Amino acid sequence: NIVLTQSPATLSVTPGESVSLSCRASQSISTSIHWYQQKSNESPRLLIKYASQSISGIPSRFSGSGSGTDFTLSINRVESEDFSIYYCQQSYSSPYTFGAGTKLELK
Amino acid sequence: EVQLVESGGGLVQPGASLKLSCVASGFTFSDYWMSWVRQTPGKTMEWIGDIKYDGSYTNYAPSLKNRFTISRDNAKSTLYLQMSNVRSEDTATYYCTREELAPYFDYWGQGVMVTVSS
Repeated sequence: NIVLTQSPATLSVTPGESVSLSCRASQSISTSIHWYQQKSNESPRLLIKYASQSISGIPSRFSGSGSGTDFTLSINRVESEDFSIYYCQQSYSSPYTFGAGTKLELK
Repeated sequence: EVQLVESGGGLVQPGASLKLSCVASGFTFSDYWMSWVRQTPGKTMEWIGDIKYDGSYTNYAPSLKNRFTISRDNAKSTLYLQMSNVRSEDTATYYCTREELAPYFDYWGQGVMVTVSS
């Protein structure tokens, strides 16, 4: 199975800061990575598909980059509504695995 | 508006069986592959498996394929997850998801909790 390692596990920031969340795959997966946001007591929401493609309705401050084994979700100027857990997921090969998540919390 | 509404969860004893349902609306259900994904109390996400739009093919996580079965009824726009011989480690919130292409999961239900305990 492809293992996705997300770092850091927790990121403490103040609103207005810009942040980068990392997702590293155990083997090369091209751009077959997707990002989700899960707010407290809610279902996950798709943020970015295929590493860098935007999703309709998602604020433009969210962006993704990377290919191969290293991927990054960037949030430009964090807002209060962004404090959540962020997961990456790979679709390169079945079983489709998720990272353990990065919790973005208020500093 | 796309909606996925799961039901059928609850408290179940180890070794028992349970069937979850997910009613879909707001899109043509028979056009899409569908998946089940679960999230443990510790927030770990695990893909369980998926089913082709016409129900003719299923694919499972190897660790679960002997105990879990996914099916669908396109006439009722309903997805199912049959769980058998459940274990304490199956305790989780189970999400019904719509798949796109890759697959990635573009819509999620609200989730249904399953607790396995004696």
